[in-house]
Amino acid sequence: GAGVSQSPSNKVTEKGKDVELRCDPISGHTALYWYRQSLGQGLEFLIYFQGNSAPDKSGLPSDRFSAERTGGSVSTLTIQRTQQEDSAVYLCASSSRGWETQYFGPGTRLLVL
Amino acid sequence: GESVGLHLPTLSVQEGDNSIINCAYSNSASDYFIWYKQESGKGPQFIIDIRSNMDKRQGQRVTVLLNKTVKHLSLQIAATQPGDSAVYFCAENIHPGGTSYGKLTFGQGTILTVHP
Repeated sequence: GAGVSQSPSNKVTEKGKDVELRCDPISGHTALYWYRQSLGQGLEFLIYFQGNSAPDKSGLPSDRFSAERTGGSVSTLTIQRTQQEDSAVYLCASSSRGWETQYFGPGTRLLVL
Repeated sequence: GESVGLHLPTLSVQEGDNSIINCAYSNSASDYFIWYKQESGKGPQFIIDIRSNMDKRQGQRVTVLLNKTVKHLSLQIAATQPGDSAVYFCAENIHPGGTSYGKLTFGQGTILTVHP
């Protein structure tokens, strides 16, 4: 079946603008994660959704970052008033349950000028 | 904070050789470990995983070894092929506050280059 998809694949924006990144998890997966990967670095956990439970937002770096998951499926990560240090690859992953293997999408490459 | 780290940032091997990628972890409470392969411009791809009640697990051409005594994880790739060239990440799954789910903590990654 289809894997995790993300859009856009690339995004260039100006400092101060807001951006929205979208993630479509694998159908039937109840858990959804967002990670950030800076150039040449490992992945940094941002936020986790599981079913209808309150999300774990402990990894969000500032209040400019927020995420929603509508209908238990599609998720949107929003970055307000983008800064140059927000430039990174934003990766989404999903798993059938919160403790199962996470499968990643291709990522959205964000460049803030 | 606690983290997962890799001993070698780069590894260069000849096609056909066996490759070993190492990883140290520091959180003794971690109970699930995963190796991911990431090719340029792509998201991490699951390779193999192992739970803390196991010492070894084998897949197709890959073996993961877990040494809980010294908190060490390794990925062995047999008969390495040029298509194996990628960045390899180990990750540990920690259950914060006794919750049922886990957040992945990734190491920095090892670049594997396979020469034909």
